[in-house]
Amino acid sequence: GESVGLHLPTLSVQEGDNSIINCAYSNSASDYFIWYKQESGKGPQFIIDIRSNMDKRQGQRVTVLLNKTVKHLSLQIAATQPGDSAVYFCAEKNSGGGADGLTFGKGTHLIIQP
Amino acid sequence: GAGVSQSPSNKVTEKGKDVELRCDPISGHTALYWYRQSLGQGLEFLIYFQGNSAPDKSGLPSDRFSAERTGGSVSTLTIQRTQQEDSAVYLCASSSSRAQETQYFGPGTRLLVL
Repeated sequence: GESVGLHLPTLSVQEGDNSIINCAYSNSASDYFIWYKQESGKGPQFIIDIRSNMDKRQGQRVTVLLNKTVKHLSLQIAATQPGDSAVYFCAEKNSGGGADGLTFGKGTHLIIQP
Repeated sequence: GAGVSQSPSNKVTEKGKDVELRCDPISGHTALYWYRQSLGQGLEFLIYFQGNSAPDKSGLPSDRFSAERTGGSVSTLTIQRTQQEDSAVYLCASSSSRAQETQYFGPGTRLLVL
């Protein structure tokens, strides 16, 4: 079946550097994408979302890029801080008639080195 | 306002026993979702409620799993005759409506079946 997947299971960056987490999706009907952050022992926390009619969206220190041509999604975190250490999940959904739940990738563990 | 809450936060049970997990969504949110997260894995969609009805039960892994929602608010997920492979974190999320895809998650219930 179609799925959402991540390129790298673990990403280690120096505090203060920028980080980029990548995600590939295979369902061409997906039109809504979300990034979640999950810290140990907690539920996923919403970071940022994007719809398929956009290719870029910015939040506070975060930017999500969507490339529909190659079905690729990325999350950029600027000036990383120790509190950014967590597992990051991308998720996708077909708003027009797919399953009601989100389809999640397996996650990337981001480690911020002091 | 308050976020999604779940109880218990942890549950240890013996194989064959039934367990009941509770979710309190964000006040006013009509859509409610249950997911399961196995160790080191992404989230697996289980069931979706719009109000008190469950139009999408496609993710329930077996007939031992059931869920209900009363009063358009609190939901319970029941697992009968638990098996060791049911051990996971069970996460609940809510959104203001099905059309509003952004889902906000609770902290989860960590279930261990011995």
